Amino acid sequence: DTEVTQTPKHLVMGMTNKKSLKCEQHMGHRAMYWYKQKAKKPPELMFVYSYEKLSINESVPSRFSPECPNSSLLNLHLHALQPEDSALYLCASSQDERNEKLFFGSGTQLSVL
Amino acid sequence: GIQVEQSPPDLILQEGANSTLRCNFSDSVNNLQWFHQNPWGQLINLFYIPSGTKQNGRLSATTVATERYSLLYISSSQTTDSGVYFCAVQPNQAGTALIFGKGTTLSVSS
Repeated sequence: DTEVTQTPKHLVMGMTNKKSLKCEQHMGHRAMYWYKQKAKKPPELMFVYSYEKLSINESVPSRFSPECPNSSLLNLHLHALQPEDSALYLCASSQDERNEKLFFGSGTQLSVL
Repeated sequence: GIQVEQSPPDLILQEGANSTLRCNFSDSVNNLQWFHQNPWGQLINLFYIPSGTKQNGRLSATTVATERYSLLYISSSQTTDSGVYFCAVQPNQAGTALIFGKGTTLSVSS
């Protein structure tokens, strides 16, 4: 199984809503990542979890809150987002943080109204 | 920080043509990867290639780490090859993740 599964595929939310994005992998990978991608731009790293601990936070605003409940799951909790946060949110995993052959999920297309 | 430059930014091909995409990077790297993002947004890892040459079907890649560049070759292109090709590098410094280039957008027409 070489899949990274993300849910939901699409999400529309208002600026006062609270929602969560979910990501799951069963490849035994110990590093998991959240990326944000705007149209016609490369993915931008948001967070890295290594062995279930947050190892990189790329100065992401606190309205984005990551959580890694176990080695297979990664969540991104969203609260009080702005319209400019509308983007494709991609989850990825790799064997570990130094062996970074990345496998990406299909993403969640988020629209903030 | 390390700079990653991809060329060309855009490429239009007829089905069956061959092409070469280039990735230059400004400092030594721990690894280099090529990705294809299809029109539906799915990113596929094509190659993990810190050095040397690898082949996978019609695609092959070569990284010359000492000269700080990598090439992705696509032979006999098909319409399904359309999308954006990203090169991404991991700098040697500990605690740094992959840095993506801006990508090459490929359009293959039948």
